[in-house]
Order: sequence, then C-alpha cells, then structure tokens
Amino acid sequence: VQLVESGGGLVQPGRSLRLSCVASGFTFNDYGMHWVRQAPGKGLEWVSGIRWNSHNVGYADSVKGRFTTSRDNARNSLYLQMSSLRPEDTAIYYCAKDDAGFDNWGQGTPVIVSA
Amino acid sequence: SYEVTQPPSVSVSPGQTAYITCSGDKLGPKYACWYQQKPGQSPVLVIYQDDKRPSGIPERFSGSSSGNTATLIISGTQAVDEGDYYCQAWDSRTEDVVFGGGTKLTVL
Repeated sequence: VQLVESGGGLVQPGRSLRLSCVASGFTFNDYGMHWVRQAPGKGLEWVSGIRWNSHNVGYADSVKGRFTTSRDNARNSLYLQMSSLRPEDTAIYYCAKDDAGFDNWGQGTPVIVSA
Repeated sequence: SYEVTQPPSVSVSPGQTAYITCSGDKLGPKYACWYQQKPGQSPVLVIYQDDKRPSGIPERFSGSSSGNTATLIISGTQAVDEGDYYCQAWDSRTEDVVFGGGTKLTVL
C-alpha cells in the first residue's frame, strides 16, 4: 500500500490550493478515505472523510464551507480543494485509508498560509 | 462538537506497564482506535476496534474499553515505544471523526 500526497506549498491568505493523494497497492474503490492535518507542534486534526462511493462526505467544523473533498476511483486519487485559506490552516496534510481504523497514511504534504 | 480527552503526558519505567486513557461522553457505540507517532513520521495504527492489533504491531500493545473510556495498554514498555499516542473515535451523532489531543509517552 502506498499513499502519496502532493500539491502543498506556500499560499497567501484568502487564496485556494488543491491537494492530491494517489493510492496504489490496494483496491482504491473499496475503501473510504480521509484527510488529517497536523499544525506545527500540535496534535492530529481530522479534516474530512469520504466513503468509497462518494455518497457521504464529512468535514470538520473548522473547514466546513471552505474545503471540498472528492475522489476519482478511476484514477485511484483523492482530492482536497481548499479555498479561503487562513493562517490557521497551516499544517502538514495527510491522506489516510480507512479500514476499521486509518491503517495506512501518506507521508504528508505541507501547506503554509502566510502573506 | 464532540471531543475526547487524553492526558497530556504519561511516564513509565522500562519494563513497566503504561496506561493511556481516552475519555468522552458517549464514546461509543463505534470503536476507538489508537495511533503512535514518532517525531518527523506519519502516524501508525496500533489498535483498532478497541482491542484489535494490526499485523506487525508487537503483542505488548493492547486495548480495552469500558463505558466512556478507552485505554491503550503497553506491557513491558521499551524505550522504542516513546512517542505521541492519539486516540480516535467517532461522533456517534454525525459519524464525523475526532482525535484526542495526544499523549506524550516518556520511558524514563
């Protein structure tokens, strides 16, 4: 199993960014997927989760209305569209596979929101 | 929003048993999971469904749950077990995911 995030970087407050997570080594469309972030020196924070068929998508209150999670099962890919970014969104963003627990995690991609 | 609470730190001597708790009103009915994270690394699942151990996780890691509290138990704690531990549960009302604030385990 491998999960590889990309798309992070330095972005100004109020701007948008799109993260991607490419999966391999398992049947992607059999599993729910999640985004989890970790601000510098802080704990883990769940951001969003999406079921295998995209029928149910959940968001943390801190990102609801600003972030959108989607997936393309044909491309084995998970996405996080982030808009109206704030300095407090600065974190490492991980994607994780959900199999009765987040049993596989990517290496993370850093997002820095700063002027 | 739903919250679960962990102690900020736990210290244990090598070879002793470490207990890390995770408390939350109405912690169930879904299960709790536990993750280990070492500096600069991604989290690793060490316990799922309250008390099940993924393949590759040492037998000294176990879990239990009773009422509003889930507990990670590390028997015969080793220096290599130092790190941050996070519990994860589900908001039984919304099915959203919640993490505890994390517990730093120190093996003295």
